[in-house]
Amino acid sequence: GENVEQHPSTLSVQEGDSAVIKCTYSDSASNYFPWYKQELGKRPQLIIDIRSNVGEKKDQRIAVTLNKTAKHFSLHITETQPEDSAVYFCAAGGNTNAGKSTFGDGTTLTVKP
Amino acid sequence: ETGVTQSPTHLIKTRGQQVTLRCSSQSGHNTVSWYQQALGQGPQFIFQYYREEENGRGNFPPRFSGLQFPNYSSELNVNALELDDSALYLCASSYPTGAGANVLTFGAGSRLTVL
Repeated sequence: GENVEQHPSTLSVQEGDSAVIKCTYSDSASNYFPWYKQELGKRPQLIIDIRSNVGEKKDQRIAVTLNKTAKHFSLHITETQPEDSAVYFCAAGGNTNAGKSTFGDGTTLTVKP
Repeated sequence: ETGVTQSPTHLIKTRGQQVTLRCSSQSGHNTVSWYQQALGQGPQFIFQYYREEENGRGNFPPRFSGLQFPNYSSELNVNALELDDSALYLCASSYPTGAGANVLTFGAGSRLTVL
């Protein structure tokens, strides 16, 4: 089955700096790669996703890159703000059934004001 | 349009007992997936229900079972509870419309503590 590894497990940055979280996956059949943000005590919420026919996708301060050959994808957050502090999860799965995705173990991002 | 709702939000059980968790999917979503999220870990896929049938299962024993009803709501049942079953149980609904869609919407979860 699919195996997703996520690094780092914790990340602390100064407000305004950039943050990068990286994930690798094992199943070359995976073609859907979402990122979720989970604030303390709240539900995971999708913040951005990428499908295997694209190499990069951007949404304001958030971007995701995908390297299918190397089987890794990354989340980039620029101009970080204290409200970006949360746990971020990457996942890998099928393009037509995100419900069966395999998740990484999460990265706790702390943005210091 | 309503989101995904789960009940109960918190519950405490003892080893050996049975528990039922409930999930109402987002309006228009016909697929429900259940996850177990242990403290400090990512969600782990338990199983998925589509059109009232199990549509895929993760690495969980048969004492984890489920149902989906005609209105697409779902239940997760766990028998013979063990201490390691203590976790946040998340359900997520989606509508598999093919490539370009199928985004998950999560509920807030049910926090189960087994003593």
